[in-house]
Amino acid sequence: AQKITQTQPGMFVQEKEAVTLDCTYDTSDPSYGLFWYKQPSSGEMIFLIYQGSYDQQNATEGRYSLNFQKARKSANLVISASQLGDSAMYFCAMRGPNTGNQFYFGTGTSLTVIP
Amino acid sequence: DAMVIQNPRYQVTQFGKPVTLSCSQTLNHNVMYWYQQKSSQAPKLLFHYYDKDFNNEADTPDNFQSRRPNTSFCFLDIRSPGLGDAAMYLCATSRQGLHVGQYFGPGTRLTVT
Repeated sequence: AQKITQTQPGMFVQEKEAVTLDCTYDTSDPSYGLFWYKQPSSGEMIFLIYQGSYDQQNATEGRYSLNFQKARKSANLVISASQLGDSAMYFCAMRGPNTGNQFYFGTGTSLTVIP
Repeated sequence: DAMVIQNPRYQVTQFGKPVTLSCSQTLNHNVMYWYQQKSSQAPKLLFHYYDKDFNNEADTPDNFQSRRPNTSFCFLDIRSPGLGDAAMYLCATSRQGLHVGQYFGPGTRLTVT
């Protein structure tokens, strides 16, 4: 069975500091994709970053990077130079061959950036 | 810009009065999803279409139905809304493939009075 775990219900970070949001996953599939989404209070889910299981390098997208440790089955999101607009819910999700077209979501982490 | 559009953004309905939420996409993706999301929770998949093939989640109540008349449009019908159905409803699209993400619409916030 596929499972995504986000153990931090809420996180606080000072503006301009970096923050790491944790995500661990469980799958027996050798090939899978990992995704992070941001959901501001407006409700729309915004795709941030993707990591493939066979990717040799950690994914980066602007201020977002993914600390991918395959052996530990973790895919932590790192946000550098936090901004007030980064305050939102963040969801980790996974897609694999045995999930069909389904995505499995973690329970999310609420990030608050403090001025 | 290619996108996923949901109408309306806010919907108020009365207890027991049928309601339809709509979703359209210009991405030409073959997979479309409907999620229910309640406050501070992860999105819960209700069902999804792969082309015309309908896939219902085992725990989706019969009260929820869906139609996909063509590639671009997908509808969520709630036949007899209850107070517990008040939530954000998110439509998403994707292409087939492990390494392809989902693209979400802005959501419809449903209130049941």
